Amino acid sequence: QVQLQESGPELVKPSETLSLTCTVSGGSLSSYSWTWIRQPAGKGLEYIGRIFATGSTDYSPSLKSRVTMSVDTSKSQFSLKMSSVTAADTAVYYCVRELRDDSGWFRIDYWGQGTLVTVSS
Amino acid sequence: DIQMTQSPSSLSASVGDRVTISCRASQGIRNHLAWFQQKPGKPPKSLIYAAFSLQSGVPSRFSGSGSGTDFTLTISSLQPEDFATYYCQQYDSYPLTFGGGTKVEIE
Repeated sequence: QVQLQESGPELVKPSETLSLTCTVSGGSLSSYSWTWIRQPAGKGLEYIGRIFATGSTDYSPSLKSRVTMSVDTSKSQFSLKMSSVTAADTAVYYCVRELRDDSGWFRIDYWGQGTLVTVSS
Repeated sequence: DIQMTQSPSSLSASVGDRVTISCRASQGIRNHLAWFQQKPGKPPKSLIYAAFSLQSGVPSRFSGSGSGTDFTLTISSLQPEDFATYYCQQYDSYPLTFGGGTKVEIE
């Protein structure tokens, strides 16, 4: 059974950098897409970006200038850094696995439990 | 970006009712459409992928249909555990985008 667990500071000051790590257990990082999605309280879901085990990345155009993702296959972890945060970045952050299906497209199959990150001084 | 529009944004229904939720994409996404169920304080749970394929373990009262731009999630007989918020999501192109959600409440 694949499990994903987010970890990182729950409180970040405005203008600083948000850093989160997702630890994957029960499976390899290879052949999947590893994705970050966030959800402000009471609102909908927003794609942040994804990374492959090779280190190849894709970021949401709206966040691209502030986002960096990395992967450490030896630790079965991937990470998110988001710079220059504001209160608008306060949200539950989920790490997610995307599986390549028979048609060759990636679809979400597993979610982490999510971690609430609050941006406040 | 592909915009995903869900309707209604909320609905009230009773146990045993048939419930239908619609999702429209701003451009054709073939069948690259997923549905998720989310309960308060929990991550979304995958229900359906490829527009109509049921995720393993999901009850057969859930079904999906559609292709191109118009999609539907149907719950054939609403159960108490089905009261939740439902999201559609396109994975035809990046960035992935989600509908705004449909909250299913008890009537």
